[in-house]
Amino acid sequence: ETGVTQSPTHLIKTRGQQVTLRCSSQSGHNTVSWYQQALGQGPQFIFQYYREEENGRGNFPPRFSGLQFPNYSSELNVNALELDDSALYLCASSLGTVSYNEQFFGPGTRLTVL
Amino acid sequence: QQQVKQSPQSLIVQKGGISIINCAYENTAFDYFPWYQQFPGKGPALLIAIRPDVSEKKEGRFTISFNKSAKQFSLHIMDSQPGDSATYFCAASVYDGNEKLTFGTGTRLTIIP
Repeated sequence: ETGVTQSPTHLIKTRGQQVTLRCSSQSGHNTVSWYQQALGQGPQFIFQYYREEENGRGNFPPRFSGLQFPNYSSELNVNALELDDSALYLCASSLGTVSYNEQFFGPGTRLTVL
Repeated sequence: QQQVKQSPQSLIVQKGGISIINCAYENTAFDYFPWYQQFPGKGPALLIAIRPDVSEKKEGRFTISFNKSAKQFSLHIMDSQPGDSATYFCAASVYDGNEKLTFGTGTRLTIIP
């Protein structure tokens, strides 16, 4: 069984640029959630995708967008990068959206915005 | 608005001792309370979780105590070991069509010999 993988591991961008982060969900999982973890803070929910549709969104502006593909892998896109977007971006996969489903996290992508 | 407050921010415990991390929540609709363990360079991993219909859950050396009336829950690590040194996050969620986790700010635990 393959765990959740994310790419790239690290990324450096400048303010105003756009970035795409990728996530491969664990085998058999159809739901992907994205979280932003600022340094020294807990992860914050960005949005969730279930069967290729957005299924809930946290308090993040529209320049944060995503996609989920038929194989349930997912992308997080951030436009017009700001310095405060520097963080560890985590994706988590789970089976379905019902309560108490364990979310399995990937190792994250460390984004630095200069 | 921080819906889950976690303390302490950091904790140093001697090997063999008991580590205790506390969390308090505001939203009474929360119905699932997991604890996650995160090592440097890794994503969080589920350690243990509890639902509000029980007051305590134990798995090996890890115990969650839950106080619904006080809206508080805590993680106890018995016989703490150096390998337990990590950052611990409490979280809470309520199912409203999706299951988004609301995390605390984390506790960096260091176990010293």
